[in-house]
Amino acid sequence: SQTIHQWPATLVQPVGSPLSLECTVEGTSNPNLYWYRQAAGRGLQLLFYSVGIGQISSEVPQNLSASRPQDRQFILSSKKLLLSDSGFYLCAWSVKSPGHQPQHFGDGTRLSIL
Amino acid sequence: AQKVTQAQTEISVVEKEDVTLDCVYETRDTTYYLFWYKQPPSGELVFLIRRNSFDEQNEISGRYSWNFQKSTSSFNFTITASQVVDSAVYFCALSQGGSEKLVFGKGTKLTVNP
Repeated sequence: SQTIHQWPATLVQPVGSPLSLECTVEGTSNPNLYWYRQAAGRGLQLLFYSVGIGQISSEVPQNLSASRPQDRQFILSSKKLLLSDSGFYLCAWSVKSPGHQPQHFGDGTRLSIL
Repeated sequence: AQKVTQAQTEISVVEKEDVTLDCVYETRDTTYYLFWYKQPPSGELVFLIRRNSFDEQNEISGRYSWNFQKSTSSFNFTITASQVVDSAVYFCALSQGGSEKLVFGKGTKLTVNP
């Protein structure tokens, strides 16, 4: 069966520090991968998605970047964190097949910027 | 443009009551997909159901049922005989066109009291 792992679960970082969040998927190959942010107030916003290695689409201009160095690995990064980067970050994957398949989410990373 | 509206921000019921969560969507595409996700207090998003725009059949899964009505652009979710474990934030989401990106509503927080 397929599983998705995200780490760390919780992170507290000072303003201006770098960030690296990692997400890996097991049990499938060539998945679509996604990064979402959920700020206070509960809405989920798509940040990045990837259909293959090295292929990243950004949805909103921001202080963050994403990379997909391997088929089932998706990394969210920042060189200098801002206070506004605080939130709950969720990674998700979906299979490539006809019709829009459900996205399956990791457990998330709670990021607090001090 | 696509949009999902969940007008109910919070709902509180007593155990065993039936509860309906509303979802209204906007899209110009004739082919689109609708989803419901559950986010328990632990934070992960759990996929509940996916529906395509050509299938208006209602669906029942145990205590859960979904009513899809294209005429009113609604995809409502009903929990019958609610239980405390149903307490969570529920999200409705939409994807359309060639992109599998999800647009989420802001969620409805359901509290089921014993």
